[in-house]
Amino acid sequence: EVQLVESGGGLVQPGGSLKLSCAASGFTFSNYWMHWVRQVPGKGLVWVSYINSDGSSTTYADSVRGRFTISRDNAKNTLYLQMNSLRAEDTAVFYCGRGGSGYSFDYWGQGTLVTVSS
Amino acid sequence: DIQMTQSPSSLSASVGDTVTITCRASQSISNYLNWYQQKPGKAPNLLIYAASSLQSGVPSRFSGTGSGTDFTLTISSLQPEDFATYYCQQSYITSWTFGQGTKVEIK
Repeated sequence: EVQLVESGGGLVQPGGSLKLSCAASGFTFSNYWMHWVRQVPGKGLVWVSYINSDGSSTTYADSVRGRFTISRDNAKNTLYLQMNSLRAEDTAVFYCGRGGSGYSFDYWGQGTLVTVSS
Repeated sequence: DIQMTQSPSSLSASVGDTVTITCRASQSISNYLNWYQQKPGKAPNLLIYAASSLQSGVPSRFSGTGSGTDFTLTISSLQPEDFATYYCQQSYITSWTFGQGTKVEIK
């Protein structure tokens, strides 16, 4: 069974940093693109970042480029999102997602809440 | 970025109804269009990929059509578990974007 489990969310002050993790199991992690998507509670889905299967290619939404860094450790079956210079508007539930057919996102984690507030 | 616009933003329907949600892309995206269902407090769930391909395990009452800029998601014979928010997503370029969502509520 495919499982994605996010961790690392929490309360952080504006300007602070946080590193999210997404532990994958039930599939060959190193074969799949991975993504981060965020959602302000009660609002819509916003794609944040993508990484290809070997970590050699990444892209970011304009709103996070230069502040967030996506990475992966295929030996540990884990995806990461390093978030620096956090702002109040980064407050959201962050989901990791697996790349699927048609460049869709076929499996998602349960999400981890990041709250940026003083 | 490619903008995705869904309509309507919300709708009310009854069990057994057929519901259609539309999604329009700001430029042609071929068939790189996906649909997701999200229930409150839960992660999104992939329903349809590549505009019309049903994801494994998804009931056949869900169907998708379209290409280019205009797409539809149809739910035939709406079931109680289908009341949720639905999102379209373009995957034509590696800067994925979602529609704003359509909330399907019980009439």
